[in-house]
This record gives sequence, C-alpha cells and structure tokens, in this order.
Amino acid sequence: GAVVSQHPSWVICKSGTSVKIECRSLDFQATTMFWYRQFPKQSLMLMATSNEGSKATYEQGVEKDKFLINHASLTLSTLTVTSAHPEDSSFYICSPTGGAEKELFFGPGTRLTVL
Amino acid sequence: DAKTTQPPSMDCAEGRAANLPCNHSTISGNEYVYWYRQIHSQGPQYIIHGLKNNETNEMASLIITEDRKSSTLILPHATLRDTAVYYCIAPPDGVVADSWGKLQFGAGTQVVVTP
Repeated sequence: GAVVSQHPSWVICKSGTSVKIECRSLDFQATTMFWYRQFPKQSLMLMATSNEGSKATYEQGVEKDKFLINHASLTLSTLTVTSAHPEDSSFYICSPTGGAEKELFFGPGTRLTVL
Repeated sequence: DAKTTQPPSMDCAEGRAANLPCNHSTISGNEYVYWYRQIHSQGPQYIIHGLKNNETNEMASLIITEDRKSSTLILPHATLRDTAVYYCIAPPDGVVADSWGKLQFGAGTQVVVTP
C-alpha cells in the first residue's frame, strides 16, 4: 500500500498556542487530501478536503479560521490548529489520494493534547 | 454514502475464522463496499474492497450477497494482532476523488481476539 507519514506523531501544547501537523505522501502524488479527527472512544469525523493548489473546503461545524490547511504541493499538506484549546485535543489523521486508485490510505495519525 | 450497519462488538478465538457482518441495504449499483480496520491509536488500515464479486487478498476475504445488501468480511485465522475496530463503508459513487474519497465512518465493530 501507499506510504503516508505524519509529523509529529504526538504533541502536547499549552492553551492558546498554534500547532502544525504535516502529512506526506511518500510514494504517490496526492491531488486531494482529507483531514479527519477522532475524539476518544468515537469514530473518525471528516474535517476538511483540500485539492492541491486550492483552498480547502470544510465540513459543517469545522471552523476554517481555526484549522488552517495548506496543500501547496502534491506530496505535502499541513493542518495548523490555531489558538488551540483543550477541546481541540484529538487524534488527527490525514488521508491523501491521487484520485485514480480505489484504495484510500491513511496516515498514522497525530495525537494532540492541549493543556 | 450508503448507510452501513455493523454489530458493535465481537469476540473471536485466536486461530479461528472471524466473520464480520455488514448490512448496507441502501447501497446503489455502483457503490463499492470497503473495509478498514483501526488498531488502537493508529490510522485506519485498508483491508479490502469489492463491488459485486467476492474478493480475497492476503489479509481477508469479502463475501458480498447477490443483492448487494450485505457483506461479510472474513479473517481466516484470527491472531491477537487482529484486535481492532473494523469499519464497513460504502462511499458515494463517482470517479472524482473529492467526492467518493470522503469516507463516512460509522461506529464499526470492535473485534477482540482472545488466546
């Protein structure tokens, strides 16, 4: 399967700070990137979709000014959680796709804890 | 997406086959059935997908009923490492990644493999 990496794998930050999460597709070009988050004991929820070179589209209830997504290249997308608060503590997972394959792959996830 | 229904949990003895059912009675003719699993604190892992025919790969087999209203994922010889939440998903029909790639995760089935 495709190789997807996320960095960092976990991060702890103070309330009010910003955190950047990177997602890289190592062996294919990701024209589209999906970002999910998962709260404890819950399932994955889609946050936003981004196409390379375009602005991301956000799901209902997800603040676009709080979760900044950059998808400037076909191998890298970043999610920045701005002014993080404890309620943003979650497991963030990216899913890049090149559009041609029918197998969607996921990154290993980033555990964010906001104190 | 077609709505999918799975049992919330299932226990399986190590070495035995695990049969995971999924109901997707509203699935349309061109919607695939995908199975993913998520081991604790990891990103989802692709297992298998199918449209009409039964499928088999190195991880599992997928049996789809003739009317396509349900399917069964079979792990032929469950190991302790197969303990995970298993998700059955039927994404919307389409060849454009930013539509069909949005996966709606349900609660899945928590499979616990015991020695």
